[in-house]
Amino acid sequence: NAGVTQTPKFQVLKTGQSMTLQCAQDMNHEYMSWYRQDPGMGLRLIHYSVGAGITDQGEVPNGYNVSRSTTEDFPLRLLSAAPSQTSVYFCASSAIAETSRNGVTGELFFGEGSRLTVL
Amino acid sequence: GQNIDQPTEMTATEGAIVQINCTYQTSGFNGLFWYQQHAGEAPTFLSYNVLDGLEEKGRFSSFLSRSKGYSYLLLKELQMKDSASYLCAVRDISKLIFGAGTRLAVHP
Repeated sequence: NAGVTQTPKFQVLKTGQSMTLQCAQDMNHEYMSWYRQDPGMGLRLIHYSVGAGITDQGEVPNGYNVSRSTTEDFPLRLLSAAPSQTSVYFCASSAIAETSRNGVTGELFFGEGSRLTVL
Repeated sequence: GQNIDQPTEMTATEGAIVQINCTYQTSGFNGLFWYQQHAGEAPTFLSYNVLDGLEEKGRFSSFLSRSKGYSYLLLKELQMKDSASYLCAVRDISKLIFGAGTRLAVHP
């Protein structure tokens, strides 16, 4: 009963370092996404994917890369970490609701979050 | 563009009823969600509206008016454990965009 699994849960980086946040889901969801959450700013969408091989930018994509080579995995890469990227990162997945009548709401299932500090 | 507004903070008394409003302007609309988030935890799904009207789920109800770009979450018989942030989110075609959230404090 894993759901959405994110690793690592905590990470401290120095400015300029790169790293990858891992996200995996076992619910066969087509849709996966990454959000960052900062105090007073709610959840902001970084990147999302509607299926393997397809990715798109969200509200705040700069400084981040993603890829979707399989349905299960959606890693988020920080290319050159900056203090402004200090945040809590959430990965989330959902089935895709194609119509309002197919019984699929498309609710997001979230991972536990990854707290990243960039010094 | 996309804009989702909700009050920043609200307070209420245990046992009372509270209504949290959300207004939105998005380029597309394919459903509105409410999530609950306790401090230090991930958001959890509360409700979903895609058609106008009221959806009831136990102590929680959610209302949607698509023509007005307006929704509210109604919490009845408030309990101390309802102290949390409540996030309004709109699905714009395929992606889900969140408001900044409303922090609710329930007092005895």
